[in-house]
Amino acid sequence: AQSVTQLGSHVSVSEGALVLLRCNYSSSVPPYLFWYVQYPNQGLQLLLKYTTGATLVKGINGFEAEFKKSETSFHLTKPSAHMSDAAEYFCAVGSDTGRRALTFGSGTRLQVQP
Amino acid sequence: NAGVTQTPKFQVLKTGQSMTLQCAQDMNHNSMYWYRQDPGMGLRLIYYSASEGTTDKGEVPNGYNVSRLNKREFSLRLESAAPSQTSVYFCASSVSSGGNTGELFFGEGSRLTVL
Repeated sequence: AQSVTQLGSHVSVSEGALVLLRCNYSSSVPPYLFWYVQYPNQGLQLLLKYTTGATLVKGINGFEAEFKKSETSFHLTKPSAHMSDAAEYFCAVGSDTGRRALTFGSGTRLQVQP
Repeated sequence: NAGVTQTPKFQVLKTGQSMTLQCAQDMNHNSMYWYRQDPGMGLRLIYYSASEGTTDKGEVPNGYNVSRLNKREFSLRLESAAPSQTSVYFCASSVSSGGNTGELFFGEGSRLTVL
């Protein structure tokens, strides 16, 4: 079975500040990990993904995430927040075995203050 | 470049009514999914179709049925709507028919209210 826990349903940062969104996963097999972003009244779109190989993954819009197996974490970061980053962010886990669909976390809403 | 198209975008139903949400993708993807999104609960999988001709239950299938009409289309039916089915429904597709390692492409969602 797989599960995802996102710590903090709401995160507020100032424009230009570091963004850190936390994700911990549980998986009995090697995980594939994803971050998706959802802007208001839109569907989700992929920010970045980890499958195998390099544990630091870079995505779109300056975001990156690091896979830490020992901590079962895949936290999302961005050095400097921009107003346009305000959105809801979802962490998801999959694998190449088992059920053929991703399991999503409950989401973190990011607010960026001017 | 339409991607994943869902209809309708908004619907209001009375308890006990039935309706079908339609989804079509033009990316020649093998797998298609239906998720529901509720505040504080993220996205929960209702049903998925790993390939044309197959469908499988997800986490919350009760009260729903699906049909994979062909490779492009995957519909979700509510036979007798209940207020607990008030939600935003997302259809998604992915290239892979094996495992769940690939990127999902999402439609814009269908907002359903059951009174």
